[in-house]
Amino acid sequence: KQEVTQIPAALSVPEGENLVLNCSFTDSAIYNLQWFRQDPGKGLTSLLLIQSSQREQTSGRLNASLDKSSGRSTLYIAASQPGDSATYLCAVRGGGKLIFGQGTELSVKP
Amino acid sequence: DAGVIQSPRHEVTEMGQEVTLRCKPISGHNSLFWYRQTMMRGLELLIYFNNNVPIDDSGMPEDRFSAKMPNASFSTLKIQPSEPRDSAVYFCASSSPGQRARGYGYTFGSGTRLTVV
Repeated sequence: KQEVTQIPAALSVPEGENLVLNCSFTDSAIYNLQWFRQDPGKGLTSLLLIQSSQREQTSGRLNASLDKSSGRSTLYIAASQPGDSATYLCAVRGGGKLIFGQGTELSVKP
Repeated sequence: DAGVIQSPRHEVTEMGQEVTLRCKPISGHNSLFWYRQTMMRGLELLIYFNNNVPIDDSGMPEDRFSAKMPNASFSTLKIQPSEPRDSAVYFCASSSPGQRARGYGYTFGSGTRLTVV
């Protein structure tokens, strides 16, 4: 059974810092991995999707990497801003299902 | 593109009542997923459909929950009878192979916040 773990559960950084969020999964037989952002009381916004054959994806200040063999993904956020404050969720797809981690709650202080 | 549309946005109901949540996926998407989100358990997959056919309902907590997808543009999640422990935010998501190939992944609706009192 696929299990997805995100570390840390919460992170607080000053504005301008570069930061890394971690995601690990137990079954490396995945089709893709997706990072989402969720603001309090809101739905999920897709950030980046990495196919199993890819190593990384970039969008603006965000860079996501995937190491399938070790069951790990990282989301790198450059030059963090207060507007980046949200919960970040990673999800892996395997066997048709999209399985989520518990998320990392990020707070960027001005 | 209006995105994935869920209704209602909020639902407050009394224990024992029937609750029906609705979802309209993005046109052309052939996969549809129902999730439940709580503080304690995070996002849990309840059921998913491919081409209107239920593929995996192992996440449906018990027989009080049922889901249907009568056509490609509509799905319902029904709870009968509802209980206070069903209180959560219920999300619907849709996707297609083409969307995933283009890197857009899965699109989620805004969710239905259900409160059972």
